[in-house]
Amino acid sequence: DAKTTQPPSMDCAEGRAANLPCNHSTISGNEYVYWYRQIHSQGPQYIIHGLKNNETNEMASLIITEDRKSSTLILPHATLRDTAVYYCIVRGLFNAGKSTFGDGTTLTVKP
Amino acid sequence: AAGVIQSPRHLIKEKRETATLKCYPIPRHDTVYWYQQGPGQDPQFLISFYEKMQSDKGSIPDRFSAQQFSDYHSELNMSSLELGDSALYFCASSLGFRRQGSYNEQFFGPGTRLTVL
Repeated sequence: DAKTTQPPSMDCAEGRAANLPCNHSTISGNEYVYWYRQIHSQGPQYIIHGLKNNETNEMASLIITEDRKSSTLILPHATLRDTAVYYCIVRGLFNAGKSTFGDGTTLTVKP
Repeated sequence: AAGVIQSPRHLIKEKRETATLKCYPIPRHDTVYWYQQGPGQDPQFLISFYEKMQSDKGSIPDRFSAQQFSDYHSELNMSSLELGDSALYFCASSLGFRRQGSYNEQFFGPGTRLTVL
């Protein structure tokens, strides 16, 4: 699985958009980008995934660059409850599917 | 919607004792993953099962074993417990990638907090 690089921490004002970057320059053609978040000591929560097209669901949007070497998770209107560690994970679809968690980004949403 | 169920939620054991953690996947999910998260660390993959067969193995100690049963629930058995085994243990489930419409999204349970004294 490709290695990912994320900033260790970010702050965001409540109500503003939170943009979390992830670098995955060694991603291969059949690997997807998945985002999870973990609120203190709870189980990681699946957010969104994508291959090469931008994706949106009720939680977030995922923007993947054309060369697929980086992506950005966007929380359009961050709330205090969005404070968590956000993990960007790259893995192939046609394998055992284990998730290799890197260091993640600690997002702090401030009032 | 039904989620992944883990039991027990909290477990306290003495050194050298054994422990069994249980995981009940989301209905229809056929793949189960186990992760260990030590204090201040990121989740680390231990082992996974697809259709009752081990599908991948990570940094699982030889003292640990796991299996998936015919009803797809899974159990993680831990023997000769050590202080360093104190951690959160998460189970995740997904619809196997061979299933139509599956993108291998993994859904995690609330975890079992194991404390070894």
